[in-house]
Amino acid sequence: GQQVQQSPASLVLQEGENAELQCNFSTSLNSMQWFYQRPGGSLVSLFYNPSGTKHSGRLTSTTVIKERRSSLHISSSQTTDSGTYLCALGLSSGSWQLIFGSGTQLTVMP
Amino acid sequence: AQTIHQWPVAEIKAVGSPLSLGCTIKGKSSPNLYWYWQATGGTLQQLFYSITVGQVESVVQLNLSASRPKDDQFILSTEKLLLSHSGFYLCAWRGQSNTEVFFGKGTRLTVV
Repeated sequence: GQQVQQSPASLVLQEGENAELQCNFSTSLNSMQWFYQRPGGSLVSLFYNPSGTKHSGRLTSTTVIKERRSSLHISSSQTTDSGTYLCALGLSSGSWQLIFGSGTQLTVMP
Repeated sequence: AQTIHQWPVAEIKAVGSPLSLGCTIKGKSSPNLYWYWQATGGTLQQLFYSITVGQVESVVQLNLSASRPKDDQFILSTEKLLLSHSGFYLCAWRGQSNTEVFFGKGTRLTVV
């Protein structure tokens, strides 16, 4: 089965609302990263957060290892936050891999 | 500071033609290197990784090959492109003792 599951697949908000994006994983992790994927495909690194809580402006990432989940919270959303958000799980099992979730498509309406 | 450069930015190629995509990492010795691929509307998948010069391991079979001719260079190639090779290719690196991965800006490949 899928090792990394992101939810929701899509989310529509009004500007100013908060967003909560989830990433659940079925195996133990070595690392967790969150990215914003630009429409052209390139990745913007948001957080490297293998455990605990990190803040960056209006963004907060929380990873709880024993519950096998990580979340990305966006407060006071803006239209410029629209796009695809990806979580990626780092696993070391023989070889090291970064396994991506399928993403959350966020649309913030004005 | 470390930098990662991918080339070309975009390619339009015919089915059956050869392909070579490149990636160079500067400012980091002996990085672990990775190729990722994303079909349109799909999930990013790790294709290859390399922990040292001349050594490459395949993760997903896509009729592609990879090589690491220098410590700072990673090449993705094939002699005959398929329509299914279309998509977005990303090169990435991480340090030997680190778990954070850093990505290049990617190459958009369209096979026609």
